[in-house]
Amino acid sequence: QITLKESGPTLVKPTQTLTLTCTFSGFSLSTSGVGVGWIRQPPGKALEWLAIIYWDDDKRYSPSLKSRLTITKDTSKNQVVLTMTNMDPVDTATYYCAHRPGYSSGYQYYFDSWGQGTLVTVSS
Amino acid sequence: QSALTQPASVSGSPGQSITISCTGTSSDVGGYNYVSWFQQHPGKAPKLIIYDVSKRPSGVSNRFSGSKSGNTASLTVSGLQAEDEADYYCSSYTTSILFGGGTKLTVL
Repeated sequence: QITLKESGPTLVKPTQTLTLTCTFSGFSLSTSGVGVGWIRQPPGKALEWLAIIYWDDDKRYSPSLKSRLTITKDTSKNQVVLTMTNMDPVDTATYYCAHRPGYSSGYQYYFDSWGQGTLVTVSS
Repeated sequence: QSALTQPASVSGSPGQSITISCTGTSSDVGGYNYVSWFQQHPGKAPKLIIYDVSKRPSGVSNRFSGSKSGNTASLTVSGLQAEDEADYYCSSYTTSILFGGGTKLTVL
């Protein structure tokens, strides 16, 4: 059974850097094809993809946020960390991490399991 | 890259069928069969209901089906039930990942 859980601060001040951790179980980020992505959702608004890291340490970022994001993994700890710099009130959102399945008769292109999300509020 | 375009809302009566569209471009929806759909109930995480345009994960009701024509993907929910009332999001997964703006399904 795959589980993911997001953790980090619930409140950050404008201009600060946000660090979120996704701790997962039920899969390994060293398995071919596997990825862990971050997606956020402002209150009452749509989902927005932020970043993804793959088993081979390939990293992809949303073009609109690329300059502010860094994603890393610690395979031994089963964790993925996302940092976002220069936080602004518009970054207030629920942040989710999600699992991309590994190679199975081909690479998979979807997120099949999601964490419960963590609400981050940006306010002074 | 812009978000994929979905209608803001759709509605239907119990037992009826509804279809939600998801329009992109030839660089995303139209160019690859990597469209997925998610169902999200209030206060809950999204749940995968369709992947690779038309495949259903194990455990998802066969009342949910997906298709694609050109740059537009569609999600059809047949035999509407009260529990289907939720927000639905499409996604295109290529070198970048896009989500639609979401559609609120109301079961009348």
